[in-house]
Amino acid sequence: EAGVTQFPSHSVIEKGQTVTLRCDPISGHDNLYWYRRVMGKEIKFLLHFVKESKQDESGMPNNRFLAERTGGTYSTLKVQPAELEDSGVYFCASSQEVVNTEAFFGQGTRLTVV
Amino acid sequence: AQSVAQPEDQVNVAEGNPLTVKCTYSVSGNPYLFWYVQYPNRGLQFLLKYITGDNLVKGSYGFEAEFNKSQTSFHLKKPSALVSDSALYFCAVRDRVTGFQKLVFGTGTRLLVSP
Repeated sequence: EAGVTQFPSHSVIEKGQTVTLRCDPISGHDNLYWYRRVMGKEIKFLLHFVKESKQDESGMPNNRFLAERTGGTYSTLKVQPAELEDSGVYFCASSQEVVNTEAFFGQGTRLTVV
Repeated sequence: AQSVAQPEDQVNVAEGNPLTVKCTYSVSGNPYLFWYVQYPNRGLQFLLKYITGDNLVKGSYGFEAEFNKSQTSFHLKKPSALVSDSALYFCAVRDRVTGFQKLVFGTGTRLLVSP
């Protein structure tokens, strides 16, 4: 069974540019999460999809971030325009149920804004 | 608000010795607790979880963790460390009362096992 896959693994962009990160969850997992780790700090929640609906987007830092999950399958996270403080590792995770099951994480996308 | 504290940035242990990585948490109700590990250039891998029942939970790679409600702790332990255990370890909590399903993570603890 394929795990959670994220693309690209690394991205270096200039301030002001746009970047789109993609996440393919484990097949059949309705729940999809985005998290971010800024250098040396905790991994912070960004948002949670249940199928194609945003269940909780309380962690989205500002309106430069837009997440979508078309058809309840893969998800994209777009940052436009990117700022220096957006640099970090963006993790995607998926889970089959929510309450007492663990989430499975992808390898992350390392975003560097210069 | 939920929070997780991992008081040690790094833990150093010699191979063959027992290891402990500390984690304390704060939630409004009873928690779900998790440990994840990140090896170099890899994603987060699930190690173990506490949902209910026995306070001592066993997970992958010989790791175990003990849920202590009175001390609000969930320390990760292993009786005999291996060099290959060297990695970044994250403790996380999910609140089962509020209905919010997000994980709240600690800042991570780097474990370095020397030969």
